[in-house]
Amino acid sequence: QVQLQESGPGLVKPSQTLSLTCTVSGGSISSGGYYWSWIRQHPGKGLEWIGYIYYSGSTYYNPSLKSRVTISVDTSKNQFSLKLSSVTAADTAVYYCARFPRGSWFDPWGQGTLVTVSS
Amino acid sequence: DIQMTQSPSSLSASVGDRVTITCQASQDISNYLNWYQQKPGKAPKLLIYDASNLETGVPSRFSGSGSGTDFTFTISSLQPEDIATYYCQQYDNLLPTFGQGTRLEIK
Repeated sequence: QVQLQESGPGLVKPSQTLSLTCTVSGGSISSGGYYWSWIRQHPGKGLEWIGYIYYSGSTYYNPSLKSRVTISVDTSKNQFSLKLSSVTAADTAVYYCARFPRGSWFDPWGQGTLVTVSS
Repeated sequence: DIQMTQSPSSLSASVGDRVTITCQASQDISNYLNWYQQKPGKAPKLLIYDASNLETGVPSRFSGSGSGTDFTFTISSLQPEDIATYYCQQYDNLLPTFGQGTRLEIK
């Protein structure tokens, strides 16, 4: 079955750009009908959708983060990536990637990766 | 944005109890409502999709109902392994939002 795995630095300095990659295994990211998404969870808090991408490159972003977010896809590597610019301590969170079939529910999810913003 | 109001924020119940969590949408979302279970240190897990459909492999003691703006998630007989935080999520207009979560504890 499809599995997702996040990777990237666990520590980012304030004002820099957070960069994460999600590697998809057990299925092709180019399969039609699926969006590929990023979601984050601040420590001890709820879930916040960041954005998602279709294999063609079409993207949709949370309006509250849109000015700082870029999601891209590399179909040759079966990966999609997140960049969040100008980070502050408020961006410290566990970042999850997930499949988003037809823009409906999130399943499956990656295990998540904690990113801390600190100097 | 569609806002999701989930209640209660926390709940303490005994093993065998019937547990109910509600989620209210700020506007009509038809049945575009999903429920997740998140255990500490783990990613959320999809339990119910489209308001009332049980995900494959999920025990039948979990159920969901509702449409429009008002939705209910029920555990018919609470088990110790059900201790977790539960979230609702809507996906109207391809802009998903989550409820604030309900932390479920054993009394």
